[in-house]
Amino acid sequence: NAGVMQNPRHLVRRRGQEARLRCSPMKGHSHVYWYRQLPEEGLKFMVYLQKENIIDESGMPKERFSAEFPKEGPSILRIQQVVRGDSAAYFCASSTSGDTGELFFGEGSRLTVL
Amino acid sequence: KNQVEQSPQSLIILEGKNCTLQCNYTVSPFSNLRWYKQDTGRGPVSLTIMTFSENTKSNGRYTATLDADTKQSSLHITASQLSDSASYICVVSTGEKGNNDMRFGAGTRLTVKP
Repeated sequence: NAGVMQNPRHLVRRRGQEARLRCSPMKGHSHVYWYRQLPEEGLKFMVYLQKENIIDESGMPKERFSAEFPKEGPSILRIQQVVRGDSAAYFCASSTSGDTGELFFGEGSRLTVL
Repeated sequence: KNQVEQSPQSLIILEGKNCTLQCNYTVSPFSNLRWYKQDTGRGPVSLTIMTFSENTKSNGRYTATLDADTKQSSLHITASQLSDSASYICVVSTGEKGNNDMRFGAGTRLTVKP
């Protein structure tokens, strides 16, 4: 499967724990985007990364959220000290170009905070 | 107020019937408009992408139209099938920041019944 791979697909955490979501972009794609989707709402941009660089994190909450895209390995979205409001579907997308290249989405990671 | 408004919020049609979904946007400037299909529990999949100069684009039984003057787009589905049941998301880009400046509508939830 050469598509965008996200894992885990489902993650359950208790309040105060950490959540780590991983995204492997499509082969040949160096641009990665993270989005959050709440029930009945549209996807909200969080962060845009290229290899080893955060290009735009204007959609990321100022605290507890961080993202990285190391030279080797998947992109990781990290949520520290999770709260119930963090429960959502987190989608990763990748593209070959940061301009208007087509975005390919992963299947999402669904985080539930108890 | 969301810059991308979709209507109706939900729609139920019988298999074989046609339907049209609407998208109105206030995003400015305008670079391109995309329609995505999102099956329940899955990631969005691109259906069409249209730039300012294009006013119609087809992808099989899906036909998207764009009126950049009135800032309206529609997605017409012909001869619906059960597999068309999904959320359809309209996404508008300004082009100012590339793919990380995409504004997502909340989607129209389509249910096709036998």
